Amino acid sequence: DGGITQSPKYLFRKEGQNVTLSCEQNLNHDAMYWYRQDPGQGLRLIYYSQIVNDFQKGDIAEGYSVSREKKESFPLTVTSAQKNPTAFYLCASSTPNGDTDTQYFGPGTRLTVL
Amino acid sequence: KQEVTQIPAALSVPEGENLVLNCSFTDSAIYNLQWFRQDPGKGLTSLLLIQSSQREQTSGRLNASLDKSSGRSTLYIAASQPGDSATYLCAVYTGKLIFGQGTTLQVKP
Repeated sequence: DGGITQSPKYLFRKEGQNVTLSCEQNLNHDAMYWYRQDPGQGLRLIYYSQIVNDFQKGDIAEGYSVSREKKESFPLTVTSAQKNPTAFYLCASSTPNGDTDTQYFGPGTRLTVL
Repeated sequence: KQEVTQIPAALSVPEGENLVLNCSFTDSAIYNLQWFRQDPGKGLTSLLLIQSSQREQTSGRLNASLDKSSGRSTLYIAASQPGDSATYLCAVYTGKLIFGQGTTLQVKP
C-alpha cells in the first residue's frame, strides 16, 4: 500500500526532553511537510523540504528541528526550547506541479507534555 | 498577509438536510483552493480542489464554489448523512497551503 505513516500515534514528553516524531512516505514524493494543529485551529506550517538534504522554516519553526537525509523520511524533533509543544502533529508529502500542490497527509501524532 | 476564515466553527443539522459551509480569504492572489475532511484524531483527506480559473467542482453529493474576486468559497453538501460528521477545512494555495480553522459538522440521525 502506498501512503504516509507517522509514529508513534501518541507520545508523552516530560518537560525539558527532546522527542522525535517519525514520518515516512512511499509515494515517491519530492516534498514533505510538518504541520501543527491546536484545538479549534487550522494547520500551521512548521518546516518543509522540497528535496533531499534541503529544508526551509515555515511559519512556526522556533523550538523544532528537522532532517531530510532520505527521500522517504522527514523526522521532526521537538526540542525543549518549544515552550508549548502539546498539539497534534501532521506530516504531508507531495510533488508540486506548477500552481498545483496536492498534499497527502499522514494519520498524525498527538504529543502531550506531562 | 493571507488569512483564511471559516464560519461557523460548529454546525449541527438533522440527517437529510442540505447545508453550506463557508470559507473566506483576504488575498485573491491564490493558485487554488482545497476543501479537506478530518475525522477526529485523524489526518486530512482532500475532497475537492478548485483551480483559481475555475468556478466550481463537484464530487458526488459535494459541490464547492470559488469566487476569487470576493475572496469566498462554499462547500455545499446535499442530503447530509451521519457519516458526513467531521471537521471540514478549507485551504488556499499560494505557494504554500494556508488553512482556515475548520467547521465541525454533526449530522444527527
